[in-house]
Amino acid sequence: AQTVTQSQPEMSVQEAETVTLSCTYDTSESNYYLFWYKQPPSRQMILVIRQEAYKQQNATENRFSVNFQKAAKSFSLKISDSQLGDTAMYFCAFMKHGVGDMRFGAGTRLTVKP
Amino acid sequence: GAVVSQHPSWVICKSGTSVKIECRSLDFQATTMFWYRQFPKQSLMLMATSNEGSKATYEQGVEKDKFLINHASLTLSTLTVTSAHPEDSSFYICSARDLGASSYNEQFFGPGTRLTVL
Repeated sequence: AQTVTQSQPEMSVQEAETVTLSCTYDTSESNYYLFWYKQPPSRQMILVIRQEAYKQQNATENRFSVNFQKAAKSFSLKISDSQLGDTAMYFCAFMKHGVGDMRFGAGTRLTVKP
Repeated sequence: GAVVSQHPSWVICKSGTSVKIECRSLDFQATTMFWYRQFPKQSLMLMATSNEGSKATYEQGVEKDKFLINHASLTLSTLTVTSAHPEDSSFYICSARDLGASSYNEQFFGPGTRLTVL
C-alpha cells in the first residue's frame, strides 16, 4: 500500500517570501503521479501542481514549483513570492498509474502573514 | 470545463434516517468517480471507488451496507448514508476522472457536502 507523509502540520511565511512544504511517500510502483492540492476555507480542492514520476524535470506552475527526488521518494512544494491568498491547507497526494484513486498526506496548514 | 457538482452542499438529519448525496460531472463523462470523507482538521480518506454500471469498490473498514453507492450513469454517482448516526457527521467529497481527456490522470473534485447528524 502507498503511504504519503507530510511532517509539517503547520507553517507560516511572510508575504512575498518563499516557503517549502515537505512530502515523502512510500511505494513499490515505478509509474505513478504526485500532486499538490490546496484546500482553502471553502474546502474546495484545487490542484496546484502535478508531477509524472517518469519525468525527470521538476514541474513548475507560475509561483509554484516542486523538487521531485524519485530515489528518495520526496516531493516538496516551493511557493515563491507568497501571497495572502495562498493561506490554506495543502495536501500532497499519490496516484498509481491507471488506477485513479488518490492517497493523501495529513496536510500542512500554511498561513501567509502580511 | 471539468466541473463536478455535489448536492446538497449541507444537510442536517436526525439519527436513524438515510441521506443521499449526489455527485455530477457537468461537462464530461466519468466512468469512475471516487468518494472521500474528511473529518474536521484531517485529511481526505478514500471511502470507495464508484464505477458506472458495476458495483463500487470499498476501502477496507468502510461498511458497504451503510454507505450505498450507485453509479447509474456516466455523469451521476450517489452516496446514500443509511441509518445515519452522529459519528457519520463529516464532510463528504466526490471526485471524477475524465477518461476522454488528455488530463485523464487528473481528478476533478466536487465542492463537498457537509453532513450533520443530530
